[in-house]
Amino acid sequence: AAGVIQSPRHLIKEKRETATLKCYPIPRHDTVYWYQQGPGQDPQFLISFYEKMQSDKGSIPDRFSAQQFSDYHSELNMSSLELGDSALYFCASSLKSQRMVLEQYFGPGTRLTVT
Amino acid sequence: GDSVTQMEGPVTLSEEAFLTINCTYTATGYPSLFWYVQYPGEGLQLLLKATKADDKGSNKGFEATYRKETTSFHLEKGSVQVSDSAVYFCALSAFSGGGADGLTFGKGTHLIIQP
Repeated sequence: AAGVIQSPRHLIKEKRETATLKCYPIPRHDTVYWYQQGPGQDPQFLISFYEKMQSDKGSIPDRFSAQQFSDYHSELNMSSLELGDSALYFCASSLKSQRMVLEQYFGPGTRLTVT
Repeated sequence: GDSVTQMEGPVTLSEEAFLTINCTYTATGYPSLFWYVQYPGEGLQLLLKATKADDKGSNKGFEATYRKETTSFHLEKGSVQVSDSAVYFCALSAFSGGGADGLTFGKGTHLIIQP
């Protein structure tokens, strides 16, 4: 079965640079979520989108922005990178329901290293 | 706010031992509960879920029952294998009506199974 695709899988940037991470959800999934997982930490929810609109917002820094496109893929844009931004960034996708929480399926992650 | 507390590891067991990983939660409303597993260098895989009180989620020999009275969702397996070695995350999502709410994770439990 098709899974969530993330690119790139690894990214090395220097401080103050910008980075763009991409996420392609499972076919027919219309909702995308972004999470950040620091070394040895639990994933922290950043932001979610449904039908190109921001749906829920977590602990996303002001230096980060994200959007969802008409084909449902999403991009996370990160500017003025800091050493503390080094982490695994996961994208997840799900269907949206008006009645209940549906499970999220995670991609393999993008490992961002800021030097 | 919502929170998840789970026993932190590492938890070390011998092959064929009985496994319990405790998970309790605090949430407003009526959350859905999940267990995710993360193998080294990989993304998060959904292991099982429960959406209402007394629901039992099960998969690959793992089980967890949604206990509203004790706000718990403990993970159990009758006989663990070396291949079960991984980090296990308990998570919740409280339905807010928007349908795209982020997950709140526990800190994760590192499970090590020795042959």
